[in-house]
Amino acid sequence: GAGVSQSPSNKVTEKGKDVELRCDPISGHTALYWYRQSLGQGLEFLIYFQGNSAPDKSGLPSDRFSAERTGGSVSTLTIQRTQQEDSAVYLCASSLVRGGAGELFFGEGSRLTVL
Amino acid sequence: DAKTTQPPSMDCAEGRAANLPCNHSTISGNEYVYWYRQIHSQGPQYIIHGLKNNETNEMASLIITEDRKSSTLILPHATLRDTAVYYCIVSPGYSTLTFGKGTMLLVSP
Repeated sequence: GAGVSQSPSNKVTEKGKDVELRCDPISGHTALYWYRQSLGQGLEFLIYFQGNSAPDKSGLPSDRFSAERTGGSVSTLTIQRTQQEDSAVYLCASSLVRGGAGELFFGEGSRLTVL
Repeated sequence: DAKTTQPPSMDCAEGRAANLPCNHSTISGNEYVYWYRQIHSQGPQYIIHGLKNNETNEMASLIITEDRKSSTLILPHATLRDTAVYYCIVSPGYSTLTFGKGTMLLVSP
């Protein structure tokens, strides 16, 4: 498909374990975002990548969270030593240009459950 | 520090127009108004955006007041598939979008 692809769609892990979530953006989109959505809440911005520029990490909630984007395409969000409050749906989006000027295309999300 | 205010929920009968309000009284001159929606268990979907003028596309119309302090998203003929959370966002075009809690629109038969 031509949309944003995320994997895994569901992940159940034990407290203290590390997890990796993957995002494959739409080909040619230079901007990539990670958001998370806790149950019944709105979307919380985590991190933003634009081309080869330094990422905007201002939304990462703690140093247990990190993300990288290799080759300007695929991105991986890593959560170390997971906590129960990390349980949420993690959403990835991509766009042709930064910010709202470019329409954001979202993936279906990765649902993380920390037991 | 929410920039927009939306009702938490609204109801609409199928086939009727759904008018979703949004207040953004502190909007700056360089900030756009964006609307996205999120159908249950899916990622958000872009609907429409505007700066000053009213906008229309195949999905909806966006009416922005002259003072730009409020706007209304109009779905002209709501269907059951339009049941979703609708997010109104104000932001400069170059900035990351911040989503609030939105309005839960329930379209009923």
